[in-house]
Amino acid sequence: EVQLVQSGAEVKKPGESLKISCKASGYNFADYWIGWVRQMPGKGLEWMGIIYPGDSDTRYSPSFQGQVTISADKSINTAYLQWSSLQASDTAMYFCARPQEYNLPFDYWGQGTLVTVSS
Amino acid sequence: DIVMTQSPDSLAVSLGERATINCKSSRSVLYSSNNKNYLAWYQQKPGQPPKLLIYWASTRESGVPDRFSGSGSGTDFTLTISSLQAADVAVYYCQQYYATPWTFGQGTKVEMK
Repeated sequence: EVQLVQSGAEVKKPGESLKISCKASGYNFADYWIGWVRQMPGKGLEWMGIIYPGDSDTRYSPSFQGQVTISADKSINTAYLQWSSLQASDTAMYFCARPQEYNLPFDYWGQGTLVTVSS
Repeated sequence: DIVMTQSPDSLAVSLGERATINCKSSRSVLYSSNNKNYLAWYQQKPGQPPKLLIYWASTRESGVPDRFSGSGSGTDFTLTISSLQAADVAVYYCQQYYATPWTFGQGTKVEMK
């Protein structure tokens, strides 16, 4: 059974760094793309980017390029989303999700990680 | 970026009645070489991640009730719930996966009248 289990909720101050994780199981992690989606409070879904753990090929939305870093460690079947300097506007729920293939939609989703940035 | 625009933003439907949600893309998501529309629909209930309902514009994901159907091609798409059930109260999103970034519509909230 495919499962994506995300790290727990975080409360951070502006300017702090953060790395959240998404641990995959039930399939060969290196062989499937895995992406990240943002959902700000009460708002819709925003596609942030996607990574292929097999070779770390990464594609970013222009809206998030340079604002976050997506990475993956195939030795421990885990994808990451990180910030070097958080802002209050980064407060949101972040989902990891996996498509069956690159040009297919997300059919497996993590439970979400709530990130709150507040002074 | 391909902009996805859904209409309406919300709708209230009586139990057992039909619900129709529209999605328009700013450019075609039909790939001519395979004649497939790179368009998906998701359902999201409060406190849950989205759930994939339909892909290739009209193919139901395994386990999705057949009261959910998708149609359309090119730039105009529709999600239809043929007979609304209480479990269908949710927000619905369309998404194109034709070109990165894979953009979503703004969502349509479906409520029970």
